[in-house]
Amino acid sequence: EPEVTQTPSHQVTQMGQEVILRCVPISNHLYFYWYRQILGQKVEFLVSFYNNEISEKSEIFDDQFSVERPDGSNFTLKIRSTKLEDSAMYFCASPRIPGYTEAFFGQGTRLTVV
Amino acid sequence: AQKITQTQPGMFVQEKEAVTLDCTYDTSDQSYGLFWYKQPSSGEMIFLIYQGSYDEQNATEGRYSLNFQKARKSANLVISASQLGDSAMYFCAMSALVRGTSYGKLTFGQGTILTVHP
Repeated sequence: EPEVTQTPSHQVTQMGQEVILRCVPISNHLYFYWYRQILGQKVEFLVSFYNNEISEKSEIFDDQFSVERPDGSNFTLKIRSTKLEDSAMYFCASPRIPGYTEAFFGQGTRLTVV
Repeated sequence: AQKITQTQPGMFVQEKEAVTLDCTYDTSDQSYGLFWYKQPSSGEMIFLIYQGSYDEQNATEGRYSLNFQKARKSANLVISASQLGDSAMYFCAMSALVRGTSYGKLTFGQGTILTVHP
């Protein structure tokens, strides 16, 4: 069973629509990261989340993006008004506990904006 | 700031032979970790191996070993006895130690596509 599960695996949305990507860790994780990978390109950091607040974000993570942990287990990434260039694979990653070196990645959500 | 450079866009290897994937890095952090991930065509990111900057011995995990040369700032991945299933994209990544014990965000290289020929 994977450490981190992401849903949905694939989402197609119309430009301008809001999307919510979900990440569920198998155990009590405290650190969460979202990364983005545009097709054929490298993986880019978006945001890190620790102790229920954003600890760091990249320049990509603008006002269109938000993250939250609404119920203490699910971790969500929301894109308020999607653009064509938001089409990418989005990965959630989380170490098992602080101090663990492995950042377990979810299987990713492939977002296609049309 | 951290930077990871993978200079080999693509590599080819014959099945059962060994292959080295190059990775160089740059950082001002005193303590950091180096990671390798495999991304098959299905898209998921699979953790392969980790090396801490303070580790004196090179990391090994089964057929994977990490050739860590701190002075040269290189962390090459060596895959021994290549298998057809090793064909994938391989990413080198690094992260700084934060709060003394845990790792922060990962910075990735551009990746190397490995193709294993039968």
